[in-house]
Amino acid sequence: EAEVAQSPRYKITEKSQAVAFWCDPISGHATLYWYRQILGQGPELLVQFQDESVVDDSQLPKDRFSAERLKGVDSTLKIQPAELGDSAMYLCASSLGRADTQYFGPGTRLTVL
Amino acid sequence: QKEVEQNSGPLSVPEGAIASLNCTYSDRVSQSFFWYRQYSGKSPELIMSIYSNGDKEDGRFTAQLNKASQYVSLLIRDSQPSDSATYLCAVKRGTNAGKSTFGDGTTLTVKP
Repeated sequence: EAEVAQSPRYKITEKSQAVAFWCDPISGHATLYWYRQILGQGPELLVQFQDESVVDDSQLPKDRFSAERLKGVDSTLKIQPAELGDSAMYLCASSLGRADTQYFGPGTRLTVL
Repeated sequence: QKEVEQNSGPLSVPEGAIASLNCTYSDRVSQSFFWYRQYSGKSPELIMSIYSNGDKEDGRFTAQLNKASQYVSLLIRDSQPSDSATYLCAVKRGTNAGKSTFGDGTTLTVKP
């Protein structure tokens, strides 16, 4: 069964350092989402792509976060510089289209020291 | 007020009992509703989706939607210890909206 791949699974970094996360969606899925989930809370959408275009980044802290999906397939989410409050699970999800079921990857657990 | 509200729990039920999980939402134009199960340290997994008022059954799971009351629930019959997890309610504004807004989840513990 096809799955969303994410790497790394775990990342520990010091504040002010740069970190990057990678996501490979299920083949053929045009819509890709990055969510952040703080412990004890539900996932919060950071950015949504339709193919290579950003369709929603209203909750992305653009002073430090960036995301790209250059060829409309895999995607990278970057944080520079990392802050203590960025410690969370970063989840990538994909769907065939906007109206379709979202499938989540295993997530990247980020700890900022 | 959060857009999607859930009782944080924890909710504890004995094995074999019915677990009832509730969710309310504030956006009246919401059209799509989802229940995800999330085991500790894992990513969310979709277990039910519902779009029309009424009940939708899938095995031991029943989702109930009442748009007039802006309320959606999940019933788990014959609860098993393996059902112990956090259950997330998610809402989409429209069927083609893409973005899902999640509640903070209800933690369910099923005791053998």
